[in-house]
Amino acid sequence: EAQVTQNPRYLITVTGKKLTVTCSQNMNHEYMSWYRQDPGLGLRQIYYSMNVEVTDKGDVPEGYKVSRKEKRNFPLILESPSPNQTSLYFCASSLGVAGVTDTQYFGPGTRLTVL
Amino acid sequence: AQKVTQAQTEISVVEKEDVTLDCVYETRDTTYYLFWYKQPPSGELVFLIRRNSFDEQNEISGRYSWNFQKSTSSFNFTITASQVVDSAVYFCALSDPSLYNFNKFYFGSGTKLNVKP
Repeated sequence: EAQVTQNPRYLITVTGKKLTVTCSQNMNHEYMSWYRQDPGLGLRQIYYSMNVEVTDKGDVPEGYKVSRKEKRNFPLILESPSPNQTSLYFCASSLGVAGVTDTQYFGPGTRLTVL
Repeated sequence: AQKVTQAQTEISVVEKEDVTLDCVYETRDTTYYLFWYKQPPSGELVFLIRRNSFDEQNEISGRYSWNFQKSTSSFNFTITASQVVDSAVYFCALSDPSLYNFNKFYFGSGTKLNVKP
């Protein structure tokens, strides 16, 4: 089954404790992206990646890191989480063709709480 | 700058009523893509439609229809004969790809639709 998976689905942590949220897709997609969803703000793009080793900032990259060492995986790293990073996080992937925006397929979401 | 505005924060209707969700976008590019996604109470994001800027034909899919008007920069979504299962948050999104910066996305703040029996 074609899918985007995220782990963990729920996470409660404390300020300053490094964490990683994993994202994996099995559709051989070139493009992957991370979003955060906050009430009243919709989804905001954090980082995206057009291919292995190629990443770029979205609208809200501060406090986050990403890496794309393999095509299928795109982990989101919070080196020193703070309470304002409490949010619902979504990973997404799409085919990724230059000059064309393909349909994005989203993972199930990760609800992160930073105390 | 690119922007998507969904001015309706929340809409409540009674089952079988028609309802239109508004989406207004801003972009300076001539090539762009518009999307609608549904987020039911379970939380996942479900793709509904993708439309490019060169295709202004309206689209109908069952009870769903979309009205794309470049003149007013709008991409409105209508549900005909609404059902309780349509209750969800609906997001409109914009992407204006280029050869060097493709697939950056901008989402609206969402419209919560409540369909009452």
